[in-house]
Amino acid sequence: GNSVTQMEGPVTLSEEAFLTINCTYTATGYPSLFWYVQYPGEGLQLLLKATKADDKGSNKGFEATYRKETTSFHLEKGSVQVSDSAVYFCALSAPGRRALTFGSGTRLQVQP
Amino acid sequence: NAGVTQTPKFRVLKTGQSMTLLCAQDMNHEYMYWYRQDPGMGLRLIHYSVGEGTTAKGEVPDGYNVSRLKKQNFLLGLESAAPSQTSVYFCASSYPRTALNLAVFDNEQFFGPGTRLTVL
Repeated sequence: GNSVTQMEGPVTLSEEAFLTINCTYTATGYPSLFWYVQYPGEGLQLLLKATKADDKGSNKGFEATYRKETTSFHLEKGSVQVSDSAVYFCALSAPGRRALTFGSGTRLQVQP
Repeated sequence: NAGVTQTPKFRVLKTGQSMTLLCAQDMNHEYMYWYRQDPGMGLRLIHYSVGEGTTAKGEVPDGYNVSRLKKQNFLLGLESAAPSQTSVYFCASSYPRTALNLAVFDNEQFFGPGTRLTVL
C-alpha cells in the first residue's frame, strides 16, 4: 500500500537557520506529492506540490523536489522565520486511491 | 469565495450523545472528505464522497455516518459519542485531475478550519 514517512519532530531552529524536513514515500504508479502546513489553531493549507519526477515545487521560500529514484520529497528553506513555526505534513495522491495519504507531521519551532 | 467551512468550531458532548458536523464548500468540487487528527498520528480518513448521493468508508469509519444530499455539503454524524472520538475533525474537498497520458493523479485537497470535539 501507499505510505509516507516523515522525520519526527519537534525541530527547533533559530531564526535565519536552514531548514530540511525529510519525507520519503512508497506508492504504486506515479503519485503526486504535497507539503501542507498547519499553523496553530488552523486547518491545513497547501504549501507546495509536484506532480511528476524531477519537478520542483516552491512557495514562500520553501522548496521540495520530487525524486523518484530515492522516493523522496524533502522540504527545504534557506532562512526560516519565527512565523514559519507550524506543523508540516507530507502527503501523496496516487492513481486508484481516492484520498491523500499523509505522514504523521513534523512540528517546527523557530526561536528569535 | 469562502472555500471550505465547518460548523461548529468547538463542541463538548457527553458519552452517548449524538451530533452532526456540517461541512460546506463553494468551489463546485466533486470529492469531499472527513478526516480526524489525533496527536502523533497525522490525519486519518473517516469517510469520503466522490459525488452527490455517494459515500464510502475510509480508514476509520466505525462509529460515524455521513451523508451527501447536496454537492456542496457533507455531513458527519456521531450516533452515540464515545471518549475515543475526542479529536479534531477536518473536512476537505477536491477536484482530482488526471493528465492526458493518465500518468498523473493530482488530488490537491482544500481543508476547512476544523472542529474540536471533546467527549466526556
